[in-house]
Amino acid sequence: DVVMTQSPLSLPVTLGQPASISCRSSQGLVTSDGTIYLNWFQQRPGQSPRRLINKVSKRDSGVPDRFSGSGSGTYFTLKITRVEAEDVGLYFCMQGTHWPYTFGQGTKLEIK
Amino acid sequence: EVRLVESGGGLVQPGGSLRLSCAASGFTFSSEWMHWVRQDPGKGLVWLTRISPDGSDTKYADIVKGRFSIFRDNGRNTLYLQMDSLRAEDTAVYYCAREFNLTPKEDYWGQGALVTVSS
Repeated sequence: DVVMTQSPLSLPVTLGQPASISCRSSQGLVTSDGTIYLNWFQQRPGQSPRRLINKVSKRDSGVPDRFSGSGSGTYFTLKITRVEAEDVGLYFCMQGTHWPYTFGQGTKLEIK
Repeated sequence: EVRLVESGGGLVQPGGSLRLSCAASGFTFSSEWMHWVRQDPGKGLVWLTRISPDGSDTKYADIVKGRFSIFRDNGRNTLYLQMDSLRAEDTAVYYCAREFNLTPKEDYWGQGALVTVSS
């Protein structure tokens, strides 16, 4: 199985400051047609997960533009330009290129 | 409004069985790939299984292959997860979700069903 390794696992951030989460895959995630199925999910406290970013960098509908995704090969990043209170929660990367789909361990973002 | 509502969770003894249901509304259920994902007590997410719109194509994670079965009733707009030979490590919150990987369409998740495997 493809192992997804996130860091940091805990991320205390001051309101208004930027935040960054990295995700490394144990194998390349490029399909034969060049697509990279790397997604980012947010899970607010007490809620179900929801996808923020699909295919490395495509922001989902309704996701604020302070969230952005980037990366290539086996290294990917989720960035938040200015953290707001509603951003508190768990963040997961997930690869959907290889079976089985696999998630990173999760990063807990909290306000400092 | 899209809704996915899980039911059927609860306490079961090791070796026992449980069937989860996921009632879908607000979208054309019969056209969508569907998944089950669980979240263990440590909060990690684990993808379990996926089913095609007509139910003919399924995939499973090794940790549940041979013990869990995903199936659907498109006439009832309902997704199911049959869980047999349950183990303590299957204790988790189980989510059903509309396809969240192959499509840019918005993903939808249920509220989760808690399954506790304990004697």
